[in-house]
Amino acid sequence: SQQGEEDPQALSIQEGENATMNCSYKTSINNLQWYRQNSGRGLVHLILIRSNEREKHSGRLRVTLDTSKKSSSLLITASRAADTASYFCATDSTNFGNEKLTFGTGTRLTIIP
Amino acid sequence: DVKVTQSSRYLVKRTGEKVFLECVQDMDHENMFWYRQDPGLGLRLIYFSYDVKMKEKGDIPEGYSVSREKKERFSLILESASTNQTSMYLCAAGGQLYGYTFGSGTRLTVV
Repeated sequence: SQQGEEDPQALSIQEGENATMNCSYKTSINNLQWYRQNSGRGLVHLILIRSNEREKHSGRLRVTLDTSKKSSSLLITASRAADTASYFCATDSTNFGNEKLTFGTGTRLTIIP
Repeated sequence: DVKVTQSSRYLVKRTGEKVFLECVQDMDHENMFWYRQDPGLGLRLIYFSYDVKMKEKGDIPEGYSVSREKKERFSLILESASTNQTSMYLCAAGGQLYGYTFGSGTRLTVV
């Protein structure tokens, strides 16, 4: 079952611009994570935000979380060609202590040089 | 640098074959996971394991089984491969504190 849904499905911007991707989810969560996937490769963990946090930064990444709206956003500032990838949000909804992540379908980001 | 290693990047198997996908982690994590990734469907959880010899079904376990005899190794087994199991398979290890580390993936084609 899909928990997170990313929006937009695809995004193309000029190098140097900021990129914003959104994620909505359905049930209560313990934390929300963002991952990047370069074409045909595995996923790379970018950032984790807990349900009691509202904002988190890591380098050029800024993540916000609004649990009342069940939504999160990932902002990449000053984009670079190397940021071209698919980005996924994943939610952790612990069930009887057995944690697992549920992923959305991703946003395909293209940075135009 | 911590790693999750999947034994094959590309694999081609025939319908009806028994297929083993191997995953090894060097991070001493209790939790390990198998996902499959298909265009338009994102990542879907097949099976996961919280400890040696323990396994839990994910969202799409039909046609698959798993084995976790040692903490570092989590194997996905396709009992009788079918063409609808052609997919990218991703193994992960990790937990709530630091997120998951993924392997590079195995692209399986069943012909």
